[in-house]
Amino acid sequence: DADVTQTPRNRITKTGKRIMLECSQTKGHDRMYWYRQDPGLGLRLIYYSFDVKDINKGEISDGYSVSRQAQAKFSLSLESAIPNQTALYFCATSETGTYLNEQFFGPGTRLTVL
Amino acid sequence: SQQGEEDPQALSIQEGENATMNCSYKTSINNLQWYRQNSGRGLVHLILIRSNEREKHSGRLRVTLDTSKKSSSLLITASRAADTASYFCATDPSDSWGKLQFGAGTQVVVTP
Repeated sequence: DADVTQTPRNRITKTGKRIMLECSQTKGHDRMYWYRQDPGLGLRLIYYSFDVKDINKGEISDGYSVSRQAQAKFSLSLESAIPNQTALYFCATSETGTYLNEQFFGPGTRLTVL
Repeated sequence: SQQGEEDPQALSIQEGENATMNCSYKTSINNLQWYRQNSGRGLVHLILIRSNEREKHSGRLRVTLDTSKKSSSLLITASRAADTASYFCATDPSDSWGKLQFGAGTQVVVTP
């Protein structure tokens, strides 16, 4: 079984709908991240969490919210989806450390907002 | 904003050749990491080099880091068709704790 899983893998929705993307991990890591990837722009950080009680905004958090339900679960919500949120979304985890260690990525969720 | 910028944006080589890509960044870092992404899939960590290291090897991969020039290079030797992927550098900036910053990537195509 994959260490970092994301559901759904693909989603098509309409403008204004509320969408939740879910991430689960079995690696036992405290740190979890949500990124979006757009063609030619690499990955941009949306939110990150260093433990269950810690939530931090990334560089593009507007229009998104997150919930860290447990060490293993980190959900990303789009309260009212808009077309420019069409992108590939990745969840990642990493071990706790003084510096940022390697991150382990899920397979991604391809979201299309019509 | 993106910390790292890869060069070239795209690279096409034949099997057996070496592939070299570069990453430049703007601020001081704790470490620099390289990742690979096969088309539409999640990123896979390749190698991490710390700010006090100058060179690191892992199998057919060789990474260098020049903190004075704020640049890094990734060399893939004896490339294979399976190396076809996008390669990203990511920096752990000293002044931006908790935020790994990715470049836009180099797309590598290895033809048999």
